[in-house]
Amino acid sequence: AQKVTQAQTEISVVEKEDVTLDCVYETRDTTYYLFWYKQPPSGELVFLIRRNSFDEQNEISGRYSWNFQKSTSSFNFTITASQVVDSAVYFCALNPQGGSEKLVFGKGTKLTVNP
Amino acid sequence: DVKVTQSSRYLVKRTGEKVFLECVQDMDHENMFWYRQDPGLGLRLIYFSYDVKMKEKGDIPEGYSVSREKKERFSLILESASTNQTSMYLCASSFPGTDYEQYFGPGTRLTVT
Repeated sequence: AQKVTQAQTEISVVEKEDVTLDCVYETRDTTYYLFWYKQPPSGELVFLIRRNSFDEQNEISGRYSWNFQKSTSSFNFTITASQVVDSAVYFCALNPQGGSEKLVFGKGTKLTVNP
Repeated sequence: DVKVTQSSRYLVKRTGEKVFLECVQDMDHENMFWYRQDPGLGLRLIYFSYDVKMKEKGDIPEGYSVSREKKERFSLILESASTNQTSMYLCASSFPGTDYEQYFGPGTRLTVT
């Protein structure tokens, strides 16, 4: 079975704090892709990053970084020095190679960054 | 710039009405998707189309149908709207292959009274 778990339903931080959003996935496939999306209050999901199962290098993009660990089936997302504009719902998603190109989404983590 | 558009941001319909939600993408994507998003439940796939006139049921297809007559357009149809179909509906598109990200439209918030 394919499954994505985002255990943190809501997180609230104060601006400039670092925050990590957890994502744990389950799949029997050896080849798969993981994604993070951001959904700001406007409603449109915005693609942030894609990672394939053979690439365990961490990635950094400005204040955003991602830590992929196959050993723990986790693909965590860290925002450094958070800003109010980071307030959104963040979704982690899995697309297994053996699947039919349908994403399996976690239920999302709502992040609120307070000034 | 990549674009997925949905016909309405907000829609209010009465129980029993036939409802059409339209989605158009300008990226020449083969795949198109309809999701509904509800608090605490995340995104759930209703239907998926991988080519013109081709469709596949998602996790919650009951009460919905779809139409894809042209590559760029994917319609979601509620044959007889019910109050439990009040939700946010999101359309997405992508190239074929599991390594491609999906691009999402702005969503349609449907209220059925």
